[in-house]
Formats: sequence, structure tokens, C-alpha cells
Amino acid sequence: AQSVTQPDIHITVSEGASLELRCNYSYGATPYLFWYVQSPGQGLQLLLKYFSGDTLVQGIKGFEAEFKRSQSSFNLRKPSVHWSDAAEYFCALDRGSTLGRLYFGRGTQLTVWP
Amino acid sequence: DTGVSQNPRHKITKRGQNVTFRCDPISEHNRLYWYRQTLGQGPEFLTYFQNEAQLEKSRLLSDRFSAERPKGSFSTLEIQRTEQGDSAMYLCASSLDRGYQETQYFGPGTRLLVL
Repeated sequence: AQSVTQPDIHITVSEGASLELRCNYSYGATPYLFWYVQSPGQGLQLLLKYFSGDTLVQGIKGFEAEFKRSQSSFNLRKPSVHWSDAAEYFCALDRGSTLGRLYFGRGTQLTVWP
Repeated sequence: DTGVSQNPRHKITKRGQNVTFRCDPISEHNRLYWYRQTLGQGPEFLTYFQNEAQLEKSRLLSDRFSAERPKGSFSTLEIQRTEQGDSAMYLCASSLDRGYQETQYFGPGTRLLVL
């Protein structure tokens, strides 16, 4: 079975500080991996995605993520957080087959202190 | 390029009533997905369509739920005899299936409150 774990339910950082949100997955093959962001009452916006190739992927809004097969992880990073980054962040897995349903983690709520 | 749209954005209903939500995907996308998100949780898959064919349904989709995509464009999700446990955000996503590297784009969601 496949699953996604986001160990941190809530993270608080100061504006300008660096950020790392953790994502671990369980799947018997190499998955496709995604990070989405959700502002309150809104839908999900795609931040970045990993399909294959370079394990460090760049996304929008200055975010990046690194796929580490040995650790079954796909952590999201940003060198300097802005107050507007406060939101909920979801990591998602696609099995990479033609059955494209996504499996989501429970999310990490990010609070940014001014 | 207009994104995925969903209507209504909010719906309040009384227990036992029927509700219907609509999703309009990105125009060239042939796949359409429905997810449900409850408070404090990530989205959970409900069902998806490839063109007009409904290819997979989750066990979460009880017999009170029905989804259609009659012409392979917009989709509707109907909940009959609503229950308080149906209160959630219902998210629609669409994608272009090329057989590999599929990316789903989400709409703003419909928030349902069952009183």
C-alpha cells in the first residue's frame, strides 16, 4: 500500500528564516511526488513536482524540494520565508501508473511570525 | 487559460436534503477528479473520469453519492439524503492524461455544511 506522512502538523517560523517541511512516503516503486499549498478556504495550488531525473526540483514562490530515494523523503524548503507563505502545505504521491489518483499527507500548517 | 472552476463555493443545507455541485475543468483536460477534505486532513480521493467514463470510485463514495460527466466536459457530484458527516470541502481537479507524468490542477472547492 502507498501512503504519505507529514510528521509536523504545525510549524512556526519567523519571517526571513529558512523553512523545511518534511514529507515521507511509502511505496514499492519510485513515485511521482507533488507539493501543494492551500490558503484558508481555498483550493490547492501546485508548488512543484517530481517525476524523474534531477532530484532537486524548483517550484514557484522560491520553493524547492529534494527527492531522496534512500530516505523515502521529499522535503520542501525555502531559504527565506515571507509572511504571505503562511498556509497549509500538502505533500502528495502519484503511483506513476495511468491510475492518477493522488494520495495526500494530512498537511503541515505554517505560521509566520513578523 | 482559465483554471478549474467549481460552483457553488459554499452550500449550507439541512440534513436529509439533496445537494449538487458542479465542476468545470480546464478546457483541454480529459481527466476529472473529485476529492473530499475534512477539517485538519488532506484531501481524500472519491472518484475520477476519463472523458465521460467513470473509471474508479473510492469506498468513501457511498450509494448516496453519484457523480456524472455526461459529455466529457463538466462534472456534477450529487449527495442524496445528506448527513452531518458529509460536511466537508469538496475539491475538483483536472488533468491531461498523456499516459505519463500527469499533473492535477485543483479548483477552489465547494464547502458544504450540513445542519
